Amino acid sequence: SYELTQPPSVSVSPGQTARITCSGDAFPKNYAYWYQQKSGQAPVLVIYEDFKRPSGISNRFSGSTSGTMATLALSGAQVEDEADYYCYSADRRGEYRVFGGGTRLTVL
Amino acid sequence: EVQVAESGGGLVKPGGSLRLSCAASGFIFSAHSMNWVRQAPGKGLEWVSSISTTDTYIYYADSVKGRFTISRDNAKNSLYLQMSSLRFEDTATYYCAREAYGYYYMDFWGKGTTVTVSS
Repeated sequence: SYELTQPPSVSVSPGQTARITCSGDAFPKNYAYWYQQKSGQAPVLVIYEDFKRPSGISNRFSGSTSGTMATLALSGAQVEDEADYYCYSADRRGEYRVFGGGTRLTVL
Repeated sequence: EVQVAESGGGLVKPGGSLRLSCAASGFIFSAHSMNWVRQAPGKGLEWVSSISTTDTYIYYADSVKGRFTISRDNAKNSLYLQMSSLRFEDTATYYCAREAYGYYYMDFWGKGTTVTVSS
């Protein structure tokens, strides 16, 4: 099984770029995915397969990986981007699936 | 429009059982693997279980293995989670989530149903 580690919180000023990291030995052999969860709502996929954006997701979201770390970047952060962000990965057989602990993004 | 709607949550005593259901619509249910993911109050997401399109591959998180059983009825476009020997730590919102076709990630989620284990 795998473990994914995220910082509990990240703060940025409006208009800055927020970066949220996710480290674990799931990478680089498995893909990284990122979900946004706003308060009281279900999660929404914002990045899949390391860096791809689903249809309808703002191009301010981008993803990257390097070694055992995946990074979600959000450029031009806005107050409405405040949410919890979770990384996720699964092994190549789908037997082991894991979420990171989540990162609370604050824009102030 | 893709929709998944969970039901069956409620209050149950430790050691008790509960069955969650998920009704799917707006997509070809039998073509997608499905998942249950839970979130304890104020905590992060935890993957619980997944089931492939024809039940061939079924996986569980270690925390629920031997106590929870996932199943599906493609004729009824429905997903289920039978939970037994419930513990306080099973208290959570349980989400039904569709798996992207051909991949191992969840691309569409329901709004969740709440399970509370309390004496």
